[in-house]
Amino acid sequence: GQNIDQPTEMTATEGAIVQINCTYQTSGFNGLFWYQQHAGEAPTFLSYNVLDGLEEKGRFSSFLSRSKGYSYLLLKELQMKDSASYLCAVRDGNYQLIWGAGTKLIIKP
Amino acid sequence: ETGVTQTPRHLVMGMTNKKSLKCEQHLGHNAMYWYKQSAKKPLELMFVYSLEERVENNSVPSRFSPECPNSSHLFLHLHTLQPEDSALYLCASSQTAAAGEAYEQYFGPGTRLTVT
Repeated sequence: GQNIDQPTEMTATEGAIVQINCTYQTSGFNGLFWYQQHAGEAPTFLSYNVLDGLEEKGRFSSFLSRSKGYSYLLLKELQMKDSASYLCAVRDGNYQLIWGAGTKLIIKP
Repeated sequence: ETGVTQTPRHLVMGMTNKKSLKCEQHLGHNAMYWYKQSAKKPLELMFVYSLEERVENNSVPSRFSPECPNSSHLFLHLHTLQPEDSALYLCASSQTAAAGEAYEQYFGPGTRLTVT
């Protein structure tokens, strides 16, 4: 079966760096997405990786290793507004999105 | 504002009621989706319409019935629901996926449904 694994919850300190990992097993691969979802709001798109390597976008970076079925989202210079759930999703061989359960990130002052 | 709107934002209904959720996208996309989001669970894809053609999802109970009259509008008709159907129902839209292109999904704010 298809599966996405990511930690349920993480805690970090304002101003610090945090890495949220995602491992996946899917039938085929056509890209990996990270979304941010604040409580009570819609998920919003953060990043897309389809080739191995690091994609940087401001304070957020996303890494992909297709051979290892592994990705991470790196958040730098954490701010209180980064407190949210972070969803990892993989587009499989049929171009369907398979979603992880999300990682709730708690930022402490 | 993500360009995808949903109404109503909150809905409380009894198990014998019939109601409909509405979604509208203003982004010119050609694919629309209904998702169910329950606490601590992955997003569950319920239905997909791509180029106004429905992609069947046999695991969704028949008490949920989608309708897509055109590429901008999507409805989810609800009847004789169960308490376990209480959840956040999210609508999303995108361009039809293609190799190498992100064509990420844009989500509406969701309808918080409570079945009593």
